[in-house]
Amino acid sequence: SQTIHQWPATLVQPVGSPLSLECTVEGTSNPNLYWYRQAAGRGLQLLFYSVGIGQISSEVPQNLSASRPQDRQFILSSKKLLLSDSGFYLCAWSDGNNSPLHFGNGTRLTVT
Amino acid sequence: GENVEQHPSTLSVQEGDSAVIKCTYSDSASNYFPWYKQELGKRPQLIIDIRSNVGEKKDQRIAVTLNKTAKHFSLHITETQPEDSAVYFCAAWGYNFNKFYFGSGTKLNVKP
Repeated sequence: SQTIHQWPATLVQPVGSPLSLECTVEGTSNPNLYWYRQAAGRGLQLLFYSVGIGQISSEVPQNLSASRPQDRQFILSSKKLLLSDSGFYLCAWSDGNNSPLHFGNGTRLTVT
Repeated sequence: GENVEQHPSTLSVQEGDSAVIKCTYSDSASNYFPWYKQELGKRPQLIIDIRSNVGEKKDQRIAVTLNKTAKHFSLHITETQPEDSAVYFCAAWGYNFNKFYFGSGTKLNVKP
């Protein structure tokens, strides 16, 4: 069966520090991969998605970037965090064929 | 692009009553519609989904209906229980955009 791993679960970082969140998927090949952010009490904002290695689509202009160095690995990065980057970050995967999105457990990021 | 609108934003019902959440979409190319339940501090989890070749789908107390002509779909929860209290998100997906468009969420409160 397929599983998705996302870490860390919580993170507290100072403003201006770098960020790296990692997500891996097991049990499937060539998944579509997604990064979402959720502010407290709000909806799901799509940040990036990828349909293959090295293919990244950005949805919202910001100081974040994403990379997909391997088929089942998706990384979210920032060189310098802003206060507004605080939120709940969710990685997700789908096989893209009228199939559901499966979310990781999320990373709660607090920028201080 | 696709636009998904979800109503109501909050819904309060008495235990045992039914709850209905409605979503509309704009792109007729959308052909897959999942529903997610998100408990406080946790990841969204798929509870039911429907594809465009089906008008209704039921799973125990939960059902989803789809009207392709009117471009709307609804989640029905019968005999609500306190553990149904959560935020519910609808979503739409289509081959031509390869990503999920989410509604803004409905906070359901089931009063015991």
